[in-house]
Amino acid sequence: QITLKETGPTLVKPTQTLTLTCTFSGFSLSTTGAGVGWIRQPPGKALEWLGLIYWDDNKQYSPSLKSRLTITKDTSKNQVVLTMTNMDPVDTATYYCAHRRLYTSGQSFDYWGQGILVTVSS
Amino acid sequence: QSALTQPPSASGSPGQSVTISCTGTTSDVGGYYYVSWYQQHPGKAPKLMIYEVNKRPSGVPDRFSGSRSGDTASLTVSGLQTEDEADYYCSSYAGTNNPHAVFGGGTKLTVL
Repeated sequence: QITLKETGPTLVKPTQTLTLTCTFSGFSLSTTGAGVGWIRQPPGKALEWLGLIYWDDNKQYSPSLKSRLTITKDTSKNQVVLTMTNMDPVDTATYYCAHRRLYTSGQSFDYWGQGILVTVSS
Repeated sequence: QSALTQPPSASGSPGQSVTISCTGTTSDVGGYYYVSWYQQHPGKAPKLMIYEVNKRPSGVPDRFSGSRSGDTASLTVSGLQTEDEADYYCSSYAGTNNPHAVFGGGTKLTVL
């Protein structure tokens, strides 16, 4: 049973750096093909793909946010961390982490966390 | 503005079929066999319904099917049921030189 859960601050101030942690179980990020991605959704709006990290530490980032994002993994703790710098009110959104099995379900995300709503406000 | 274009809304009566389109370019939908579809009920996380254009994950009813023609992918829901009412998002892999993915703007499916 694969589960993921996002944790971190629910309120950040403009210009601050956001750090979110995705803690997962039911799979290992040292397994070939495994990946964890980050997706966000502003209130009432569409999903936005942020980035992901694979078992081999290969990382992909949204071109429009690449300069602000860093994704790292701690395989021993079953955690993936998303860091986003210079937060702005437009970054207010529910942030999701999700699981990928590259050689089984391609480029899709087959398990998702419950999401965490992050509000950016002074 | 989302990278992939979906109609904002779609509707159908119980038992009917409805098709939702997702239009991209040769750099995403038309260039890779990596189109996915997600269902999202209000206040819930998205759920994978279709991957690699037309494959269904275990547990997804065969009423859901996917296809692609050129730069446009489609999700068809046959035999509509009330529980199918939700938002649907397409997603596609995009870019070999700068690998990433993109989502569509979402389609609100209403079961009348």
